[in-house]
Amino acid sequence: AQSVAQPEDQVNVAEGNPLTVKCTYSVSGNPYLFWYVQYPNRGLQFLLKYITGDNLVKGSYGFEAEFNKSQTSFHLKKPSALVSDSALYFCAVSAPSGNTGKLIFGQGTTLQVKP
Amino acid sequence: DAGVIQSPRHEVTEMGQEVTLRCKPISGHDYLFWYRQTMMRGLELLIYFNNNVPIDDSGMPEDRFSAKMPNASFSTLKIQPSEPRDSAVYFCASSRSSVNTEAFFGQGTRLTVV
Repeated sequence: AQSVAQPEDQVNVAEGNPLTVKCTYSVSGNPYLFWYVQYPNRGLQFLLKYITGDNLVKGSYGFEAEFNKSQTSFHLKKPSALVSDSALYFCAVSAPSGNTGKLIFGQGTTLQVKP
Repeated sequence: DAGVIQSPRHEVTEMGQEVTLRCKPISGHDYLFWYRQTMMRGLELLIYFNNNVPIDDSGMPEDRFSAKMPNASFSTLKIQPSEPRDSAVYFCASSRSSVNTEAFFGQGTRLTVV
């Protein structure tokens, strides 16, 4: 069964500093990996995805993520955090085997960027 | 496109009442997903459809929950009878394909059962 783990409930970082939000996954076969962001009282918004190819994926708002197959990780990163980046971040995985289309989310990590 | 549209945005109902949540997916999207979000359990996939056909309903918590998709532009999630523990935010999402395209989420319906 596929699963996603986000080991940190909350990440705190000062504005201007780099940020990392961690994600590890477990699937059969090659994974398709996604990051979403949720602002208060809003739905989830897509940030970026890894399907195949270059392990470093760039997405919206200056975010990027690195796929590491040996460590089964897909950590979200940004070189310089903004206060407006404060939100709830979700990692998600789907697996092509069986082509079920099932997208499974991690439990979410709250990012707090302080001025 | 206006995106995924859910209604109502907020619903407060009494225990035992029937609740119906509605979703209009993005035109041209083949997949539709219903998720539930709570503090305790995070984001749970309840059920999803492909071309209006339910594919996997293993996340539906119990028989009080049912979902339908009578056509490509409309889906409902019904809870009958509702219970306080059903209080959550329910999200609908749609996607063009299955495993390798992103899903687009609606704003959610915040359900409170008193």
